[in-house]
Amino acid sequence: DAMVIQNPRYQVTQFGKPVTLSCSQTLNHNVMYWYQQKSSQAPKLLFHYYDKDFNNEADTPDNFQSRRPNTSFCFLDIRSPGLGDAAMYLCATSRERGSYNEQFFGPGTRLTVL
Amino acid sequence: SQQGEEDPQALSIQEGENATMNCSYKTSINNLQWYRQNSGRGLVHLILIRSNEREKHSGRLRVTLDTSKKSSSLLITASRAADTASYFCATDAFGANSKLTFGKGITLSVRP
Repeated sequence: DAMVIQNPRYQVTQFGKPVTLSCSQTLNHNVMYWYQQKSSQAPKLLFHYYDKDFNNEADTPDNFQSRRPNTSFCFLDIRSPGLGDAAMYLCATSRERGSYNEQFFGPGTRLTVL
Repeated sequence: SQQGEEDPQALSIQEGENATMNCSYKTSINNLQWYRQNSGRGLVHLILIRSNEREKHSGRLRVTLDTSKKSSSLLITASRAADTASYFCATDAFGANSKLTFGKGITLSVRP
């Protein structure tokens, strides 16, 4: 089945130790998104790729970076995780950017920072 | 800034009852979408309603949109225990680079 896959599902890292979360999709969608969701809060968009075009949200900390080496894969790099970065990280895709496009989400990676 | 605000924040009902969840937003939108999130999982798209539509149905789901009041409601009829989840409304503003802005969500518990 076509889907959005995130690995790992659970990630534990130490304060300040770089960590990379990965997302892959078999939907062949043009757009890939990364969201941060803290407990009982709304998913917050960090950035998205439209094809190879990277779009950062204005309030996304510099500590968060992303790479999209090809259509199928997208990575979230957290250069120096702080305790406040512990959250669920959701990857999503949509066929196109713009209105009327639903987003397809992966199961998420729950990040713990010790 | 957060666009959608759902209410109530939490809802507990008996299986078989209907569940109504509301969402209000602040600025003009192109469309509004509802998503479901089971505990510890990703979000699943339920339904999209365009700004020129007033009502839409999908199975046991009924969504209404009132752009004059900047509000939407999601009705789940004949609820099941499997409907237990968090429900989010997400608004899509005008523009080619539009993004979804999610509300905080409503936690629905359906008691068997």
